[in-house]
Amino acid sequence: DTGVSQNPRHKITKRGQNVTFRCDPISEHNRLYWYRQTLGQGPEFLTYFQNEAQLEKSRLLSDRFSAERPKGSFSTLEIQRTEQGDSAMYLCASSWRTESTEAFFGQGTRLTVV
Amino acid sequence: SQQGEEDPQALSIQEGENATMNCSYKTSINNLQWYRQNSGRGLVHLILIRSNEREKHSGRLRVTLDTSKKSSSLLITASRAADTASYFCATDVIQGAQKLVFGQGTRLTINP
Repeated sequence: DTGVSQNPRHKITKRGQNVTFRCDPISEHNRLYWYRQTLGQGPEFLTYFQNEAQLEKSRLLSDRFSAERPKGSFSTLEIQRTEQGDSAMYLCASSWRTESTEAFFGQGTRLTVV
Repeated sequence: SQQGEEDPQALSIQEGENATMNCSYKTSINNLQWYRQNSGRGLVHLILIRSNEREKHSGRLRVTLDTSKKSSSLLITASRAADTASYFCATDVIQGAQKLVFGQGTRLTINP
């Protein structure tokens, strides 16, 4: 296993279009997280899954955002009707949830809304 | 909202010098972690310190944790040009969902 994989690495879209990102976590990890990061800022939590269950969604996640993790494997993050303010790096991370474990991050998907 | 706040926001030192970054947080934690991020890339885990630990070492890294002051520090000794990156502290908070909450980061530049 080569780590957390995110696709695509870069996405340029026109305002109002829908986009979908994919994250493939490390196979034995049961937790999967989505974060958003803008330039010069730290990652902001969006949502996370334990297996296939979505356990928490940040207030940052408007109704235009939806995430899924079917069968507790890969995850998708969809943004509908994109806005320029959605431009950011979207990071996915996975971990094996026991007491005190590190999270492994993917390289991120950079979204630019024009 | 961000849990942690790093200080300083930016740090520039000469190669070979030591670099110290600080992190303060607000709520009770299970553990505190430090991550590094090279420009435009994902985050890489550096070190984790549990809430019942006070100091931890890993290679050229030394992390301290003071839960009474809700603060941590990361020391990088004998810095190298390759250490140039942004460094983030992340807290694994006790209340609510168990997720990592990141600070704003310290941008470290090592000058050759």
